[in-house]
Amino acid sequence: ELQLVESGGGLVKPGGSLRLSCTASGFTLSDHNMNWVRQAPGKGLEWVSSISRSGNYIYYADSMKGRFTISRDNAKNSLYLQMNTLRPEDTAVYFCARVSGSYDYFDNWGQGTLVTVSS
Amino acid sequence: SYVLTQPPSVSVAPGQTATITCGGNNIGGKSVHWYQQKPGQAPVVVIYYDSDRPSGIPERFSASNSGNTATLTISRVEAGDEADYYCQVWDTSDHVVFGGGTRLTVL
Repeated sequence: ELQLVESGGGLVKPGGSLRLSCTASGFTLSDHNMNWVRQAPGKGLEWVSSISRSGNYIYYADSMKGRFTISRDNAKNSLYLQMNTLRPEDTAVYFCARVSGSYDYFDNWGQGTLVTVSS
Repeated sequence: SYVLTQPPSVSVAPGQTATITCGGNNIGGKSVHWYQQKPGQAPVVVIYYDSDRPSGIPERFSASNSGNTATLTISRVEAGDEADYYCQVWDTSDHVVFGGGTRLTVL
């Protein structure tokens, strides 16, 4: 069964760091571009970052650039998001999302992991 | 940066047709994808590449894209269609853009 499972969320103080993981099963991670998308409580979807199959191409939303780092380990079938200098406005559920192999839409999502930034 | 504009809410009676718009500058020149998100769940794609339906999505879901507006249409609306709907495109800088989302309420 195809599955994406995020982990690593939790409560962190402003200025702190957190590393999220997304573990894939049921498919080969290296066959797909991957993304992180977040959703603040009661708000809409916000794209965070994308990484190509090999990790050679990486893009970030402007508000995350310089603070967040996306990476992947295809051998471990895992995607990561290192988040530094966290702010209260980074509080959100963070989803990892797989890009369809043939097209550029998100065809599978994890259930998300909640990150709360608060003192 | 590219902006997608959706109405915050749409209400429709069961059995009627719901229309959700997604406005963007020359959005007709882009490929639009639509996602449905129910409370506490991850989004699910209901339309990709302007008008294609993934397997398992009812034929009641259709969409079009032209000019400055993309449109998601849900025919014969059911109570189970109540959800938030998001449009999504890739902009010219390889960034993903989501619309603000539309809450569909089934009266």
